Amino acid sequence: AQSVTQLGSHVSVSEGALVLLRCNYSSSVPPYLFWYVQYPNQGLQLLLKYTTGATLVKGINGFEAEFKKSETSFHLTKPSAHMSDAAEYFCAVSGVNTGFQKLVFGTGTRLLVSP
Amino acid sequence: EAGVAQSPRYKIIEKRQSVAFWCNPISGHATLYWYQQILGQGPKLLIQFQNNGVVDDSQLPKDRFSAERLKGVDSTLKIQPAKLEDSAVYLCASSFSPDRGANTGELFFGEGSRLTVL
Repeated sequence: AQSVTQLGSHVSVSEGALVLLRCNYSSSVPPYLFWYVQYPNQGLQLLLKYTTGATLVKGINGFEAEFKKSETSFHLTKPSAHMSDAAEYFCAVSGVNTGFQKLVFGTGTRLLVSP
Repeated sequence: EAGVAQSPRYKIIEKRQSVAFWCNPISGHATLYWYQQILGQGPKLLIQFQNNGVVDDSQLPKDRFSAERLKGVDSTLKIQPAKLEDSAVYLCASSFSPDRGANTGELFFGEGSRLTVL
């Protein structure tokens, strides 16, 4: 079975500060890993994904994440937060051999950005 | 390109009543998903269709929930009778064919249908 754990239901940063949202996964097969963002009253939008190859992946809006197999982690970072980054962020996992479109989502982390 | 369309956006009903949600996926997307997102939780897959066939409905409470995707395009999710714990946002998503190599798991989500059961 696959699962993801997102540490911290809320993260608060100041505008211009580093954003770090944590995600650890559990998977018995090589995982595909995703970060989705959800703005208020909207659906989820893909930020970035790791499938194979380079472990540092870059996404939209200046976000990036690094797949670390030894730590079973896929943390999301952004060097400088903008007010517009305030949203809920979901980490998700699927398995290469178990239906890679069957995403299992974490519980989400709400990012709060203060001026 | 038009996105995933869902309706209604909001619905308030009393327990034991019925409700139906409609979803029209992105044109050409063979796979359609219904997710349930309860407040404070991540989305949970209820059912996955490939064209008009069900791929996975293992987490669908079949005693009260039903879904169909006639003609392999739009889909309807029904709850009858509703319970208080069904209060949630119901998200529809679509993607290309799941054939490996065609895509790697990106789902396109609609804005969701928020259900409140009183």
